[in-house]
Amino acid sequence: AQTVTQSQPEMSVQEAETVTLSCTYDTSENNYYLFWYKQPPSRQMILVIRQEAYKQQNATENRFSVNFQKAAKSFSLKISDSQLGDTAMYFCAFEWSTDKLIFGTGTRLQVFP
Amino acid sequence: NAGVTQTPKFQVLKTGQSMTLQCAQDMNHEYMSWYRQDPGMGLRLIHYSVGAGITDQGEVPNGYNVSRSTTEDFPLRLLSAAPSQTSVYFCASRDTGGLYNEQFFGPGTRLTVL
Repeated sequence: AQTVTQSQPEMSVQEAETVTLSCTYDTSENNYYLFWYKQPPSRQMILVIRQEAYKQQNATENRFSVNFQKAAKSFSLKISDSQLGDTAMYFCAFEWSTDKLIFGTGTRLQVFP
Repeated sequence: NAGVTQTPKFQVLKTGQSMTLQCAQDMNHEYMSWYRQDPGMGLRLIHYSVGAGITDQGEVPNGYNVSRSTTEDFPLRLLSAAPSQTSVYFCASRDTGGLYNEQFFGPGTRLTVL
């Protein structure tokens, strides 16, 4: 069975600093997709970044980047130059089929001034 | 575009009552889905649809019914609400053509069953 694990329930970082959120997953699939979603206090789910498993190059989106280690089944999210607006829950998600999207339990990130 | 809309935003039910959570999207997306979010458990897939007239079960379908008569609408029905269905419900849609496509989520409905 596929699983997604986020081992950090809560993290905090000072504004302008860098923080890394961890995510590991377990699968026997070879082709799949990985996502990080942000959920601010408004409750809206927002896609932050995505990675295709067959691509070795790590995805980047402005201040957000991932460290994708396929052999280790690890998919961490790095947020550079943290901003107060980054305060949110962050969910790692794994998908290998149309009806098979698995979310982790989330990491609550607090950015303080 | 309004994106994905959900109504109501909040709802309180008594055990045994029925209700329908509404979901609509104006992006002409074929794929729509319903998730529930419980504390400490992330989001779990309830039901999904790959097009009008086609629905299928996700990870936690028991106690919920869906139908898809149009591309735009995908209502979720609770036939006999139970306290275990207290949760936040999200509807999402995606343009088919690949798993890589982004899922767009609605704002959620917070449901409390007493």
